[in-house]
Amino acid sequence: RKEVEQDPGPFNVPEGATVAFNCTYSNSASQSFFWYRQDCRKEPKLLMSVYSSGNEDGRFTAQLNRASQYISLLIRDSKLSDSATYLCVVGGNQFYFGTGTSLTVIP
Amino acid sequence: NAGVMQNPRHLVRRRGQEARLRCSPMKGHSHVYWYRQLPEEGLKFMVYLQKENIIDESGMPKERFSAEFPKEGPSILRIQQVVRGDSAAYFCASSPRDSDQPQHFGDGTRLSIL
Repeated sequence: RKEVEQDPGPFNVPEGATVAFNCTYSNSASQSFFWYRQDCRKEPKLLMSVYSSGNEDGRFTAQLNRASQYISLLIRDSKLSDSATYLCVVGGNQFYFGTGTSLTVIP
Repeated sequence: NAGVMQNPRHLVRRRGQEARLRCSPMKGHSHVYWYRQLPEEGLKFMVYLQKENIIDESGMPKERFSAEFPKEGPSILRIQQVVRGDSAAYFCASSPRDSDQPQHFGDGTRLSIL
């Protein structure tokens, strides 16, 4: 079983839509959780850390469910510039990356 | 504002040559990670190093690939006798300590094998 699993998509949504990604992890002892964004073969960039109580940054909301071992990312009011691949990352003994979920926001 | 520095940005090698990829972590970071991304695929973990120690190399191919992070100087990912299948983007990331802090990535090295 993979350490981290994500739905690869692609997700194609119209501008202004709300879209949610989930990511499951296998190690219940995992300690830290992050969402990264990767554009067009560039380097991954940290989007946000995910805290147990859930956290919000503008249009982005991240949540952690330890009991079910998944994290989620919600994007409200999608913009064209949100088009990217979103990577779920789980930290334990090392960092484990999901394969990424592709999002395309359509005009 | 020195982030993670990787060089070269692009590297072209012929089959059979050696490729050396360098990574200088962010100031204050002592943990370095190397990843490979093949065309149209996700990031694949290769190796995790601290100064002078390889912590986890479970993602490294058993042959031709090696990595080091010496006491002084950058981390080096070395690929000997390169083959066409080694063509990929190689990303380095660093973090200040173990995995409770996020990683920060360099711009990557695009390796092309002729």
